[in-house]
Amino acid sequence: GAVVSQHPSWVICKSGTSVKIECRSLDFQATTMFWYRQFPKQSLMLMATSNEGSKATYEQGVEKDKFLINHASLTLSTLTVTSAHPEDSSFYICSARSFEGETIQYFGAGTRLSVL
Amino acid sequence: GQNIDQPTEMTATEGAIVQINCTYQTSGFNGLFWYQQHAGEAPTFLSYNVLDGLEEKGRFSSFLSRSKGYSYLLLKELQMKDSASYLCAVLDSNYQLIWGAGTKLIIKP
Repeated sequence: GAVVSQHPSWVICKSGTSVKIECRSLDFQATTMFWYRQFPKQSLMLMATSNEGSKATYEQGVEKDKFLINHASLTLSTLTVTSAHPEDSSFYICSARSFEGETIQYFGAGTRLSVL
Repeated sequence: GQNIDQPTEMTATEGAIVQINCTYQTSGFNGLFWYQQHAGEAPTFLSYNVLDGLEEKGRFSSFLSRSKGYSYLLLKELQMKDSASYLCAVLDSNYQLIWGAGTKLIIKP
């Protein structure tokens, strides 16, 4: 299957700082990337869908000014958590779909964010 | 509203067979996925069903009945490494993935 790389895998930061998470498709071009967050023992919650070269589509209740998503190329999308607070501590996972009409999403390894 | 139901937790014995059920009610249907997720890791793709019937892939099989809004994941010859959460997800009419809460499978020796 396709490979999606996510970096960093773990980050600890102070409250008020910003954190950037990168998601790269290594062996395919990802027209669409997805960002999820997952709290312990809960299912995945879609935060936003990003298409290369256009603005991300955010799910209801997700603050677009707080969770900045950039999908500047067909192989890279970034999620920046701005002015992070302890309640933003979570497991963030990206996934990618290789082309329009492709149904399978391939996931990155996830980033565990801890905000102190 | 859209809804995916699967059991919260199941326990099985090493070497045995286990079936994890998933029922769904979604606006449209473009396929059903099963993913495996080990604790602290991201999900990995297991199977995709869009037509009725059974798809077999090694020790894992997935079944779909669209008329019943029902799927199951069958795991044979269980191994300790199969202990994980199994997520059922449906692709709706907008090609959006709707996720179930996952079934935690515990394998005992």
